[in-house]
Amino acid sequence: RKEVEQDPGPFNVPEGATVAFNCTYSNSASQSFFWYRQDCRKEPKLLMSVYSSGNEDGRFTAQLNRASQYISLLIRDSKLSDSATYLCVVNMLTGNQFYFGTGTSLTVIP
Amino acid sequence: DVKVTQSSRYLVKRTGEKVFLECVQDMDHENMFWYRQDPGLGLRLIYFSYDVKMKEKGDIPEGYSVSREKKERFSLILESASTNQTSMYLCASSLGALGYNEQFFGPGTRLTVL
Repeated sequence: RKEVEQDPGPFNVPEGATVAFNCTYSNSASQSFFWYRQDCRKEPKLLMSVYSSGNEDGRFTAQLNRASQYISLLIRDSKLSDSATYLCVVNMLTGNQFYFGTGTSLTVIP
Repeated sequence: DVKVTQSSRYLVKRTGEKVFLECVQDMDHENMFWYRQDPGLGLRLIYFSYDVKMKEKGDIPEGYSVSREKKERFSLILESASTNQTSMYLCASSLGALGYNEQFFGPGTRLTVL
């Protein structure tokens, strides 16, 4: 089983829509969680860290559910510029390794 | 802004060649990482380093070695390139305690081994 699993999509949504991505992780000892964004043919960049209490940054909301071992990313009022691949990242600290999901592809349609 | 640079954007090598991929960061970060990214497999960690001359194996170290002689530079070495090492290679760096902080990525090197 992969350490981190994501629905690869693609998600095609109209501008203004709300879209949510989930990501599950296999190791309950996982300690830190992130969402990265990767544009086509570019490097990944941090979108936001995910905190236990959940956190929001503008139109983006991240949630962590430790009991069910998943994290989510909610994007409200989608913009064309949100089109990208979203990578879920989990770190277990004990091994000092970051595990990346394969990414979820989002296309926002005019 | 943090800048992570990689020596080449595109590289074509022949099977059996020794290949050097260089990565340099300009923000005095302690930690540096090498990943490869393949369709359907995502990013996989090859090696990382948390200090000069220190290195740790990631998930897929076989066929690779690394060198970190200076804090700002982390090199990935393919001792004898093989076709299954054709991939996008991404270098990253981060500050401070491993695992907690944002990783900054370089633009990547697309390596093709013929």
